[in-house]
Amino acid sequence: EPEVTQTPSHQVTQMGQEVILRCVPISNHLYFYWYRQILGQKVEFLVSFYNNEISEKSEIFDDQFSVERPDGSNFTLKIRSTKLEDSAMYFCASSAETGPNTGELFFGEGSRLTVL
Amino acid sequence: AQKVTQAQTEISVVEKEDVTLDCVYETRDTTYYLFWYKQPPSGELVFLIRRNSFDEQNEISGRYSWNFQKSTSSFNFTITASQVVDSAVYFCALSVDTGANSKLTFGKGITLSVRP
Repeated sequence: EPEVTQTPSHQVTQMGQEVILRCVPISNHLYFYWYRQILGQKVEFLVSFYNNEISEKSEIFDDQFSVERPDGSNFTLKIRSTKLEDSAMYFCASSAETGPNTGELFFGEGSRLTVL
Repeated sequence: AQKVTQAQTEISVVEKEDVTLDCVYETRDTTYYLFWYKQPPSGELVFLIRRNSFDEQNEISGRYSWNFQKSTSSFNFTITASQVVDSAVYFCALSVDTGANSKLTFGKGITLSVRP
């Protein structure tokens, strides 16, 4: 069964460092998302991406964050200068444009970011 | 704005008991989608079910059943004959976007512990 894959599974970084989280969405999906879950809290929407541009972003997604689809398969989330409060689990997701599962998000297993 | 309320925070049951997880949602949109996700201790988000706002037919799938009531804006989830492997955090979520762009608003989650 096709799945969304994320790397790394866990990254530890120093405050102020740049971090790139990588995701490979399901191959025929066209909508991509990043969500964040601070430990013990709910899952929060960060950004959605379609047709090589951001379609929607939350107030959390400030200028320190950026997303990119550098090639036909990867979807990345970059945090330019990490802060302690960026420590969280980051989930990538993708969804199909058409078909019976339209709108259903398929999540990756998450990348845990720890900022020291 | 959309809102999902999961009033229960933690539930503990003994194996083989039935348990119902409550979810109440708020939206002004007439077309929306409701979801339940399971997050086991390993951290990934596992899709359980999606319901469309125009489909109030309740569903049973094995030990799982869902009760969607538009009149009370509720989308409750019941596990029959619970098992230890059901121990996880369960999230209810809402999406109001049409088409494939599916930005989810999550509830805070319910931690279910099933004791042997």
